[in-house]
Amino acid sequence: DTEVTQTPKHLVMGMTNKKSLKCEQHMGHRAMYWYKQKAKKPPELMFVYSYEKLSINESVPSRFSPECPNSSLLNLHLHALQPEDSALYLCASSQNTQGGYGYTFGSGTRLTVV
Amino acid sequence: ILNVEQSPQSLHVQEGDSTNFTCSFPSSNFYALHWYRWETAKSPEALFVMTLNGDEKKKGRISATLNTKEGYSYLYIKGSQPEDSATYLCAHHTGKLIFGQGTTLQVKP
Repeated sequence: DTEVTQTPKHLVMGMTNKKSLKCEQHMGHRAMYWYKQKAKKPPELMFVYSYEKLSINESVPSRFSPECPNSSLLNLHLHALQPEDSALYLCASSQNTQGGYGYTFGSGTRLTVV
Repeated sequence: ILNVEQSPQSLHVQEGDSTNFTCSFPSSNFYALHWYRWETAKSPEALFVMTLNGDEKKKGRISATLNTKEGYSYLYIKGSQPEDSATYLCAHHTGKLIFGQGTTLQVKP
């Protein structure tokens, strides 16, 4: 299995809702990432997990809460989002966080906050 | 250079043309330089990871070079085909991977 699987592919949520994005990989990668991408902009790093521990939080608002329950799974819990949080959320994994290996990306969750 | 910068932003070429794009990055604190290809409605796909000054990598008709001292990398596509149409992203790793805005390539048959 050489894929990163993200679910759901599309999500529409209200500003008072709580929802979760899920990301799964079975390549034995020990680093997992969340990126946010808005139209015409580059993917922007949100969180890095290394060996299931949060190693980087790029000053992301607390309404985004990451979780790594095991080495194959990464979740992003969403609560009280704002319309400006509407974006494509990409999950990625790599062998480790050292940068010498390419990242494998999922196809993303397109989130719309109404 | 403080950020990762790519040029041009977009490019339209005819099938069979060769083309190249530039990625500029801060030359200090270098770990690695990645290139990704991102087709519409698909996942970004890793093309190259380069770590050493002077590195040259090749994958079929696509190749890349790296100059860490002056902080730039070039991506070359020889004999562009319509299936090469995509956004090409470079990313600079300094402990975390930071992306440029990408070059969108459109190859007309």
